[in-house]
Amino acid sequence: EIVLTQSPGTLSLSPGERATLSCRASQHVTTTYLGWYQQKPGQAPRLLIYGTSTRATGIPDRFSGSGSGTDFTLTISRLEPEDFAVYYCHQYGISPWTFGQGTKVEIK
Amino acid sequence: EVQLVESGGGLVQPGGSLRLSCAASGISVTSTYMTWVRQAPGKGLEWVSVLYHGGLTYYADSVKGRFSISRDSFNNTLYLQMTSLRAEDTAVYYCAKGPYSNGWYGLDYWGQGTLVTVSS
Repeated sequence: EIVLTQSPGTLSLSPGERATLSCRASQHVTTTYLGWYQQKPGQAPRLLIYGTSTRATGIPDRFSGSGSGTDFTLTISRLEPEDFAVYYCHQYGISPWTFGQGTKVEIK
Repeated sequence: EVQLVESGGGLVQPGGSLRLSCAASGISVTSTYMTWVRQAPGKGLEWVSVLYHGGLTYYADSVKGRFSISRDSFNNTLYLQMTSLRAEDTAVYYCAKGPYSNGWYGLDYWGQGTLVTVSS
């Protein structure tokens, strides 16, 4: 099983700041099969990024994804108030598919 | 517009069974991969199962042999049959479209979730 380790666990930032979230895999993940999701309290997750770096429909360009191999990054260039949430990475290349444990982005 | 609506959750005793449904509109459940993901209270996301458009199925080790994913093309509905339920199966269960649908696009649509509570 591929274990995805996200860091940091919590990121305390102010609106307008840049957020950098890390997702490290225990084995190689093909870039096609790596996604990022945002989840707010009481809501279902929402797809932000698929294929490591492609924004999903309607996702603003302040969200960007990068990486390869075992190291992947989600960057939010300038935090808006609605961006404070929990973010998960997800690999769907090798069964069992797995999620990271999440990074909470909170208002400082 | 794609909509996924889960139902069938509730309170069940340990060892019991439950069948979750995910009614789809705007897509055909037979033309895309369909996935179940769960989230225990206060915890992160856990992948549960996937049904390929061709009919292949895969399960997380934690549910293998106890859960079964299926679909009904006439009703355009995805199912998750859960048996031998345990306390650790308590979670909100989400169905999601993808991650493959004429290409690898991630889990791009999600239902609102249905809560399953396993307790005596």
